[in-house]
Amino acid sequence: GAVVSQHPSRVICKSGTSVKIECRSLDFQATTMFWYRQFPKQSLMLMATSNEGSKATYEQGVEKDKFLINHASLTLSTLTVTSAHPEDSSFYICSALNGDTQYFGPGTRLTVL
Amino acid sequence: AQSVSQHNHHVILSEAASLELGCNYSYGGTVNLFWYVQYPGQHLQLLLKYFSGDPLVKGIKGFEAEFIKSKFSFNLRKPSVQWSDTAEYFCAVIPRFAGNQFYFGTGTSLTVIP
Repeated sequence: GAVVSQHPSRVICKSGTSVKIECRSLDFQATTMFWYRQFPKQSLMLMATSNEGSKATYEQGVEKDKFLINHASLTLSTLTVTSAHPEDSSFYICSALNGDTQYFGPGTRLTVL
Repeated sequence: AQSVSQHNHHVILSEAASLELGCNYSYGGTVNLFWYVQYPGQHLQLLLKYFSGDPLVKGIKGFEAEFIKSKFSFNLRKPSVQWSDTAEYFCAVIPRFAGNQFYFGTGTSLTVIP
C-alpha cells in the first residue's frame, strides 16, 4: 500500500514554456503533499507543502508565481513550472502524507533547453 | 531552524561488513524519525520509522535503527551488508505537534563492493 505516482517521468521542454507535473496517491487519500527538488548527489530541498483545498505553503526563496501548485483533490497535486528556464532543470519529487509517514513518488526529470 | 546531520557522506564497505550510519538532529522536543533509502535509479522508499516505544526499531531488509534520546541520534545499522544495499540513505525527522514538515539529512551514499 501507500503508492505514489508521478507523471511524466521525464520531460524536455524549450525555454519559456510551461510544464505540468502530476502527483497522485494511488491507494490512499492525502490531504497533504509535498514537492521537492533534488540536485545531483544532494538531499531533497523542500519547495512547498500542498494542502488539499487551500493554497500551498512555499519555502523561503521559492517563487510561488513560477512554481504553481494545485491540490484540487485528495489524490492529486500538480506542480506547474511556468516560463521554464535552463536553471529550472532538475529532478522534482513529490510525496504524500499518509498518517505520519511520507511516501514518495518516483520523480520527474525536467530538462529545459 | 531544525537540522538533521548525517556525518558520513560516502561510505564504502565490502560485502558482509557491518554498517552504521549516523544521524543526529537538533530539535529538542518529541520527534518522529525515519530512514529512507534511494536505490540507483529508483525513488525514495521507507526503510524504517520510529514514533514511540522500543527505541530499537527493525525495518526491512535486515536494517535496524536505535533512537537515543539523550544523544539526539537515530543511527542506522545492518550487521552484514550486501552488494544490493548500495544506495543513498536519508535520515528524516518530523517534530511532533509542529506541523507536517519533514527535515531531511544530506544523505549518505553507501557503496558495497562484492
